Amino acid sequence: DAKTTQPPSMDCAEGRAANLPCNHSTISGNEYVYWYRQIHSQGPQYIIHGLKNNETNEMASLIITEDRKSSTLILPHATLRDTAVYYCIVRVAIDKLVFGAGTILRVKS
Amino acid sequence: EAGVTQFPSHSVIEKGQTVTLRCDPISGHDNLYWYRRVMGKEIKFLLHFVKESKQDESGMPNNRFLAERTGGTYSTLKVQPAELEDSGVYFCASSQEGRKYYGYTFGSGTRLTVV
Repeated sequence: DAKTTQPPSMDCAEGRAANLPCNHSTISGNEYVYWYRQIHSQGPQYIIHGLKNNETNEMASLIITEDRKSSTLILPHATLRDTAVYYCIVRVAIDKLVFGAGTILRVKS
Repeated sequence: EAGVTQFPSHSVIEKGQTVTLRCDPISGHDNLYWYRRVMGKEIKFLLHFVKESKQDESGMPNNRFLAERTGGTYSTLKVQPAELEDSGVYFCASSQEGRKYYGYTFGSGTRLTVV
């Protein structure tokens, strides 16, 4: 079972930042938080991951709370092409991802 | 680099028939994974290969499913005989040994419909 809780859906205006929350209150000390997204008719796409520190790459930023019980994925300037299902995953085993239901992000013009 | 390639992209078969799905991972990726999403459910892990060896097949639903990875390159997933509940999208993913923490690359999936 997934160890994360995400809102089922969110809307965001094009050009604005999209902030997607995730709760993972039972996360263990050595478990990473991963974010993937799935755009319609495509396979899941890796976005970013982190353990304790905040992380940033060309796609997004990941903010992890100090107690590691929650995190936020930030898409700084959302575009229509960012409309997708976003999955927050606590990697319980290095070679097995456990997907939850994810958050449907709708970016609107 | 070429991505993870899966084919066919779509397959419609009758209940009781056999279907074989194929996955070509990114060249040089020793790790290969199969996942699937059946209708209305979440994406679920099926199994993991390291080169030609099955590392973890705990997610395989039953013995109607057989996965192989001969020579440690491409992989096949055979469903025999197919049942209605096998309908869904089957995803393959791959990763490099030593870079698994950086996430997998998924293919676009094979949509299987059993009628």
